[in-house]
Amino acid sequence: GENVEQHPSTLSVQEGDSAVIKCTYSDSASNYFPWYKQELGKRPQLIIDIRSNVGEKKDQRIAVTLNKTAKHFSLHITETQPEDSAVYFCAASRPSGNTPLVFGKGTRLSVIA
Amino acid sequence: EAQVTQNPRYLITVTGKKLTVTCSQNMNHEYMSWYRQDPGLGLRQIYYSMNVEVTDKGDVPEGYKVSRKEKRNFPLILESPSPNQTSLYFCASSPDRGPYEQYFGPGTRLTVT
Repeated sequence: GENVEQHPSTLSVQEGDSAVIKCTYSDSASNYFPWYKQELGKRPQLIIDIRSNVGEKKDQRIAVTLNKTAKHFSLHITETQPEDSAVYFCAASRPSGNTPLVFGKGTRLSVIA
Repeated sequence: EAQVTQNPRYLITVTGKKLTVTCSQNMNHEYMSWYRQDPGLGLRQIYYSMNVEVTDKGDVPEGYKVSRKEKRNFPLILESPSPNQTSLYFCASSPDRGPYEQYFGPGTRLTVT
């Protein structure tokens, strides 16, 4: 089955700097890659996702890049703000809905003011 | 208001006492899913359902049951809870027939003693 590795497990950046979180996946048939943000004590919330027919997707300060050949994808947050502090999870799934969504173990991002 | 609700939000129970955690969504979503979240392990999918009367196992289905008799409801059943099922449980739903753009419920913190 699918295996998703996420790095780093913790990340501290100064406010205004960029943050990058990387994930690798094992199943070459996976084609859906979402990123979720979970603030302390809250539910996970989808912040951006990408499908394998594109290599990059942006939404304001957040971007995701996908390298299907190398089987890895990354989350990029620019101009970080204290409210970006949270745990971020990547995930991967095959095209058919009839397969599990597999998450990475998470990255705790701290933005220092 | 569009939402996913779970009940109860907190539950302390004893080993072997059957329990049900309810999940309901009011968005007419096709896909529903249950996850458990444990420190250091991230989110792991327990069961999912692409449609009424259709359920499938996720990565960690042992010790759990689900049913999807109605589109809006997807209860999680623990027939004989054990301490290793102590966890934070999230229900999620998606408008598509797959784990795409999922909305998560608020979570249920379960402790089994």
